[in-house]
Amino acid sequence: DAKTTQPPSMDCAEGRAANLPCNHSTISGNEYVYWYRQIHSQGPQYIIHGLKNNETNEMASLIITEDRKSSTLILPHATLRDTAVYYCIVRANNAGNMLTFGGGTRLMVKP
Amino acid sequence: DAMVIQNPRYQVTQFGKPVTLSCSQTLNHNVMYWYQQKSSQAPKLLFHYYDKDFNNEADTPDNFQSRRPNTSFCFLDIRSPGLGDAAMYLCAVGGGAYFPETQYFGPGTRLLVL
Repeated sequence: DAKTTQPPSMDCAEGRAANLPCNHSTISGNEYVYWYRQIHSQGPQYIIHGLKNNETNEMASLIITEDRKSSTLILPHATLRDTAVYYCIVRANNAGNMLTFGGGTRLMVKP
Repeated sequence: DAMVIQNPRYQVTQFGKPVTLSCSQTLNHNVMYWYQQKSSQAPKLLFHYYDKDFNNEADTPDNFQSRRPNTSFCFLDIRSPGLGDAAMYLCAVGGGAYFPETQYFGPGTRLLVL
């Protein structure tokens, strides 16, 4: 699986949009971009995934650049409960493929 | 309703005393994974079952074993826990009907080795 690069930490004001970048310059054509987050002392939680088109769900939006070498996860109105470590993972779509977690970005939402 | 259940949430064992962690799922997914997460580190895959087929990661110590008696349950056995095995153990399931596969994690079991 391709590797990803994320900033180790970010701050965001409560109610503002949180934009979390991820670089995956060596992504292959069959690899999806997944985002998970892990709130302290809990298991990772799936947020969103995409291949090449932008995606939106009830939790977040995922913007993938046209060359697919980077992406941005957007939490439109961050709350204190969004404080967590956010992992960007690229992975081929085969069941049984592991998720290779990198360092992630520790997002701190502040009042 | 919980989809991936791990018991217990906290487990204390003694150095060298075998311990078993359990995971169950209500999703009927055919893949079950075990990850190890040490303090301040990212989760690391130990092994997974694709149906009944066991797949071990190359660097998973022999001290770690797993059993999957049926679709719903999977166990992690640590034969002789060492102090370095203290960690959060995460179970995940995947391979359901939706494409592409998404993994869903349980809350984890935090293991303490005394």
